[in-house]
Amino acid sequence: SQQGEEDPQALSIQEGENATMNCSYKTSINNLQWYRQNSGRGLVHLILIRSNEREKHSGRLRVTLDTSKKSSSLLITASRAADTASYFCATEYYGQNFVFGPGTRLSVLP
Amino acid sequence: KAGVTQTPRYLIKTRGQQVTLSCSPISGHRSVSWYQQTPGQGLQFLFEYFSETQRNKGNFPGRFSGRQFSNSRSEMNVSTLELGDSALYLCASSLVSTGGKGNTEAFFGQGTRLTVV
Repeated sequence: SQQGEEDPQALSIQEGENATMNCSYKTSINNLQWYRQNSGRGLVHLILIRSNEREKHSGRLRVTLDTSKKSSSLLITASRAADTASYFCATEYYGQNFVFGPGTRLSVLP
Repeated sequence: KAGVTQTPRYLIKTRGQQVTLSCSPISGHRSVSWYQQTPGQGLQFLFEYFSETQRNKGNFPGRFSGRQFSNSRSEMNVSTLELGDSALYLCASSLVSTGGKGNTEAFFGQGTRLTVV
């Protein structure tokens, strides 16, 4: 069964605004990871958050994890046109390989 | 440190042919996983190799196979190509096998865009 489900499927914002994407999953996890993909290219690893962590920051990125709700959110602050991409969450659990959600397509308009 | 390298970047093949894709992981990484990405199905796991052994396999037909060499480089082969095999094939490299007891960061290559005509 599919683990990660991103929400919304698509998001359009103006440069300088914040973008928030959510990911929900169904079973226990070791960790959850966020990736960015630019227009059919490879996935770029953004951040890994462990199941015992609640929040992590990396530059303009802030990730939260709520294991009780089985959900995570990715916040991109002060967005730039270069942030335009698809964003995926992937969950890792013991005995399973990464399972990816369908992704959120973010468009940052200049 | 060099990233994950996939070759070729683009391929056009005819139905019924076979194709081999290559992935060179980050130096020191022993795990290579392969994924197929299509607009309709998203990212789907194909298989993972760790230390030359297949650790896990996704729900794909036997036409999809792979192997890993002693230097951790991996190849993926698809035989008797079908139109539906057109996709972006991504490989991911990690230090240890995914799905273990720890936490594994996986780094992806740029992918191979396969078009079957």
